[in-house]
Amino acid sequence: GAVVSQHPSRVICKSGTSVKIECRSLDFQATTMFWYRQFPKQSLMLMATSNEGSKATYEQGVEKDKFLINHASLTLSTLTVTSAHPEDSSFYICSALYRNEQFFGPGTRLTVL
Amino acid sequence: AQKITQTQPGMFVQEKEAVTLDCTYDTSDPSYGLFWYKQPSSGEMIFLIYQGSYDQQNATEGRYSLNFQKARKSANLVISASQLGDSAMYFCAMREGYNAGNMLTFGGGTRLMVKP
Repeated sequence: GAVVSQHPSRVICKSGTSVKIECRSLDFQATTMFWYRQFPKQSLMLMATSNEGSKATYEQGVEKDKFLINHASLTLSTLTVTSAHPEDSSFYICSALYRNEQFFGPGTRLTVL
Repeated sequence: AQKITQTQPGMFVQEKEAVTLDCTYDTSDPSYGLFWYKQPSSGEMIFLIYQGSYDQQNATEGRYSLNFQKARKSANLVISASQLGDSAMYFCAMREGYNAGNMLTFGGGTRLMVKP
């Protein structure tokens, strides 16, 4: 139980395009999901907390207009990187809260050319 | 100040031996939880073990145990009988407060390499 999926697992896009990453809780409902970013050889940094039916809470320094988060259902949160640039290339990981624990998705590796 | 500090960027251990990965934390909240995660090269975050601030005993999960020293604010992970598959990045994380929805703060990680 408590499985979280992410799609796609890898994506390569051109600079200036937008990319949507999906995070799904497969066997439970999650009112709260989290989005993290991890640069190579670095730790996970929380980008935002996503609550179903309300606006996401962004961490300091994260541009809400660039990283759009939508948590429209209890099993799906999406992160859209708008007008992506090479510096947005990173590993994006989501997690979903279930019974006091965060369960992580497998991550999405984004490469912006 | 760093909330979670992992001072060992890389560690080697011989297969079948035990290894300790260090983690110190900083919080003024009396209620907190400490987590350890394993991240293999595939990138997924695998939960290993949890210690609550009010837990009286050190947490154990199979070959993993947590050496919790509250007064020293340390929560070191001990892996016994290392296996080649233990080679990965290990992250210590902390959640402050009672609310399970509170954010996790991660340390910088330790890369463990198990030698055959």
